[in-house]
Amino acid sequence: GNSVTQMEGPVTLSEEAFLTINCTYTATGYPSLFWYVQYPGEGLQLLLKATKADDKGSNKGFEATYRKETTSFHLEKGSVQVSDSAVYFCALSGDTGNQFYFGTGTSLTVIP
Amino acid sequence: GAGVSQTPSNKVTEKGKYVELRCDPISGHTALYWYRQSLGQGPEFLIYFQGTGAADDSGLPNDRFFAVRPEGSVSTLKIQRTERGDSAVYLCASSSGGGAHNEQFFGPGTRLTVL
Repeated sequence: GNSVTQMEGPVTLSEEAFLTINCTYTATGYPSLFWYVQYPGEGLQLLLKATKADDKGSNKGFEATYRKETTSFHLEKGSVQVSDSAVYFCALSGDTGNQFYFGTGTSLTVIP
Repeated sequence: GAGVSQTPSNKVTEKGKYVELRCDPISGHTALYWYRQSLGQGPEFLIYFQGTGAADDSGLPNDRFFAVRPEGSVSTLKIQRTERGDSAVYLCASSSGGGAHNEQFFGPGTRLTVL
């Protein structure tokens, strides 16, 4: 079956620190992979995505590379800001592209 | 333009009651999804509509849950004989087309509490 495993939080970093949030997946077929972000008081938003192996998704300084050999899609950012404080969800789409499977979310707090 | 809206934002009900949760997708979006998010968990897929029809309802947990989208726009998630375990945030999302290549836009959710 399809599932996503995310590193547990919460994560607390100082401003300008390097961020990695690990995500690994189990899937049948060839899923697309996503990172969603939920800022305080707001709904889920798509942060970035990758639709095939070795693709790199990037947005707002965040990056993640679709690694089929390690079944991973780790989220990274070189220098986090206070405004990056949010909950981050890794997700994959199933074979049909219509079912989405989310991880449990990782809460990030960036302190000045 | 307006995003996805959901009403009510909060719903408190008693065990055994019937509830309806409404989703207004972004205008023109043909695909609509319902998810359930329990505390400390990620969203869990419930059902996907393409137009008026439920293209995939395999995530509905049991026959107490039902959803409709009669005119291909607004959708209603209906829960019969609510149980305490149904307490969660119910999220709706829409996209311009189904599939992984079309971004889903999420609403703010309806927080359902079953006493």
